[in-house]
Amino acid sequence: QVQLQESGPGLVKPSETLSLTCTVSGGSISSYYWSWIRQPPGKGLEWIGYIFYSGSTSYNPSLKSRVTISVDTSKNQFSLKLSSVTAADTAVYYCARMYNNYFDYWGQGTLVTVSS
Amino acid sequence: DIQMTQSPSTLSASVGDRVTMTCRASQSISSWLAWYQQKPGKGPKLLIYKASSLESGVPSRFSGSGSGTEFTLTISSLQPDDFATYYCQQYNSYWTFGQGTKVEIK
Repeated sequence: QVQLQESGPGLVKPSETLSLTCTVSGGSISSYYWSWIRQPPGKGLEWIGYIFYSGSTSYNPSLKSRVTISVDTSKNQFSLKLSSVTAADTAVYYCARMYNNYFDYWGQGTLVTVSS
Repeated sequence: DIQMTQSPSTLSASVGDRVTMTCRASQSISSWLAWYQQKPGKGPKLLIYKASSLESGVPSRFSGSGSGTEFTLTISSLQPDDFATYYCQQYNSYWTFGQGTKVEIK
């Protein structure tokens, strides 16, 4: 059974860079696409971007200028960096596996608060 | 951007009820639609993909239908474990989600 676990700081200061890592267990990161999705408190879900295990990426146009997603196949991990954060970036951040363009496995999520 | 609109936002029902919720896309997405169930503090769980295909391990009381711009998720007989929030998501062009339908106890 594939499992995903997000990790990273729960508090980030405004204007700084949010950094999260997703560790995949129970299966290989190879041959799949992997995504980051976020959910502001009390709101709906927003797709941030994806990375293929080979390193190719696609980002949400609304966030593209601030997002970088990378992969480390040797560690079975992929990562998210979101720069110049504001309070509007406060959210639960999920990592998920993409299969045939839908999301079949999700992490449990990690809350990131942007505050000074 | 393709916008997804779910209705109702909240649905009150009892165990054993047949429950139906709707998802509308701002433009045609063919059958590129998935449904997810989310419980508090957990990541979403895939229920339905390609509008009507049941994900492995998901109870058969869940079913999806529709194509183009209008879709429905039906729970044939609501069980205690089904009280949750349900999201639709299109994957025709990028990926966007509806705002959710919360199924609560009547």
